[in-house]
Order: sequence, then structure tokens, then C-alpha cells
Amino acid sequence: EAGVTQFPSHSVIEKGQTVTLRCDPISGHDNLYWYRRVMGKEIKFLLHFVKESKQDESGMPNNRFLAERTGGTYSTLKVQPAELEDSGVYFCASSQFVLGPGSGYTFGSGTRLTVV
Amino acid sequence: EDKVVQSPLSLVVHEGDTVTLNCSYEVTNFRSLLWYKQEKKAPTFLFMLTSSGIEKKSGRLSSILDKKELFSILNITATQTGDSAVYLCAIGKDNTDKLIFGTGTRLQVFP
Repeated sequence: EAGVTQFPSHSVIEKGQTVTLRCDPISGHDNLYWYRRVMGKEIKFLLHFVKESKQDESGMPNNRFLAERTGGTYSTLKVQPAELEDSGVYFCASSQFVLGPGSGYTFGSGTRLTVV
Repeated sequence: EDKVVQSPLSLVVHEGDTVTLNCSYEVTNFRSLLWYKQEKKAPTFLFMLTSSGIEKKSGRLSSILDKKELFSILNITATQTGDSAVYLCAIGKDNTDKLIFGTGTRLQVFP
């Protein structure tokens, strides 16, 4: 089966601009997660979709971040306007069933976002 | 506040060596501890541990959890250059599907 696909793999934008990251989960996976790793720190949870609904968005840093999953398939994460501290690697993961935290997750390769 | 601490931060060894990576945690409502390997891009799942004292094994890799002392170790025997990666420890909690990660241990294996 195809894995979790993220696009782009790398994005460099100027402070104040808008960027949209995309994640295509494995087909049939209802659960989709966004995580991010800021330089030198641990990977942190951003939010969790079940189909098109936001199950948990407790990790979203502020209202400059907007995640959507229309139709319950692919998801986008928009940052508007981007700030320097938003730089990092944004990971997406998907799973078919919620068997317990992390089990059955398949991660994508991540999008490296650099804000200059 | 929930905390996951991995040590060492970095490790350099020669092929054939055995390594032990550590993960300690302080979290409320612990449910599971997971180990991932991240080579270049996507973290890949290694083990999920929920019970103390039961070793999980996959080839040269093994892991065990101590829920009393709040830590886990990941052992890699007879290391190979292909084991070079960042090894991530993460905690799953009850009532949520999100993971809490440590900063990882970077392992470099030289021939």
C-alpha cells in the first residue's frame, strides 16, 4: 500500500507569508495526525482528525494555524502569517483504527518549513 | 507537566558493538511506551510496551519497560551501519490518542 505522502518536502518562505502543507494519508485511514518538530526540541502533537472532524486540537500553537480535512481524505495545514518560530519539520501520520496511542501509526516523511 | 527524557543524546559506536538507549518518563495516566526509528525522514515503529518486565524482541533489537521506576531501555546487539538513526521514545496516555515524544538519541555506527 502507498504510504503517507506529504507535500512539499521542503518550503522556504519569508516571515509574514502564507504556507499550506498537505498530507495524503493511507487510503481508508480514518485517523490523521499532525505533529511538528522545532529545531533542537522534541516532536510535538498538533492535532488529530477522525475522518473530517477534529478530535483533538489541543496542540495547535495559536490561531495562525488552520488545519482542514474536507471530505475526510487529505488534510491541509495552513500557517498564516508565518513567523520565524514556525520553522521546523511538520509530520503527518495516519492510522486505520484507534488501538491505543501510537499503535498502527504510519508517519509521512515530513515537510521541512523554513521561515526567513 | 508530562516529560519524556532520552539518554544519551548521541552515541557513536563501531559495528559489532552493543548499545543501550534509555528513556525515562514522568506522565499522568500512562498507557504505553513506544520506540520509533527515524533514519532519514519518516519515523518507523519498532515496539509498543504496556506491561512491566516483558521483553519485546525483533531480531537484534529488544526493549523492556519498568513501570515502577518509570523507564524503558532499547538494546541493539551486534550493531550494523544500517542501525544508524535517531531513536525516538514516545508515551501514550489514556483518554487521548496523541503521543508525547522525547528528543531522541542519535546513534551513529561506523564500520
